[in-house]
Amino acid sequence: KQEVTQIPAALSVPEGENLVLNCSFTDSAIYNLQWFRQDPGKGLTSLLLIQSSQREQTSGRLNASLDKSSGRSTLYIAASQPGDSATYLCAVLGNEKLTFGTGTRLTIIP
Amino acid sequence: DVKVTQSSRYLVKRTGEKVFLECVQDMDHENMFWYRQDPGLGLRLIYFSYDVKMKEKGDIPEGYSVSREKKERFSLILESASTNQTSMYLCASSSTSPGQGLHYGYTFGSGTRLTVV
Repeated sequence: KQEVTQIPAALSVPEGENLVLNCSFTDSAIYNLQWFRQDPGKGLTSLLLIQSSQREQTSGRLNASLDKSSGRSTLYIAASQPGDSATYLCAVLGNEKLTFGTGTRLTIIP
Repeated sequence: DVKVTQSSRYLVKRTGEKVFLECVQDMDHENMFWYRQDPGLGLRLIYFSYDVKMKEKGDIPEGYSVSREKKERFSLILESASTNQTSMYLCASSSTSPGQGLHYGYTFGSGTRLTVV
């Protein structure tokens, strides 16, 4: 059974800093990995999708990497802003089922 | 912009009522999903559908049913609402291209916060 873990569970950093969120998964037989953000009381917004054959994806200040063999992904956020405050979830797709991580609650301090 | 639309943001229903949660997507996706999200439990899959009139049970289907009469619409039905079904409900859709071996990302709706009193 796939298990997805995100560390840390919560993170607070001053505005302007670069930061890294971590995601690890136990079964490397995945189709893809997706990073989402969720604001309080809202739905999930997709940030980046990495297919299993890819190593990384970039969108603006965000960069996500995937190392399938070690079961790890990182989400790098450059020059953090208060608007980046949210919960970040990673999810892996395998055997037609999406398994979510436990999430990292990020707070950017102005 | 592609969208998954959930008909209600907030809903309050009484115990025993039959409740319909509607979800519509405009991306021509074949796959649609219903999740519930609770603090400390994360997202749990209730039901999913890979095609019109098709449905499959997820991890927690008890007390729920679904309907997919058209490709773009996937409805979640609470046959007799109970207080333990108070939750945030999230609908999602996705697409697959088997010929290319590609599974595309999931797109989620904005959620329905259901309170059963």
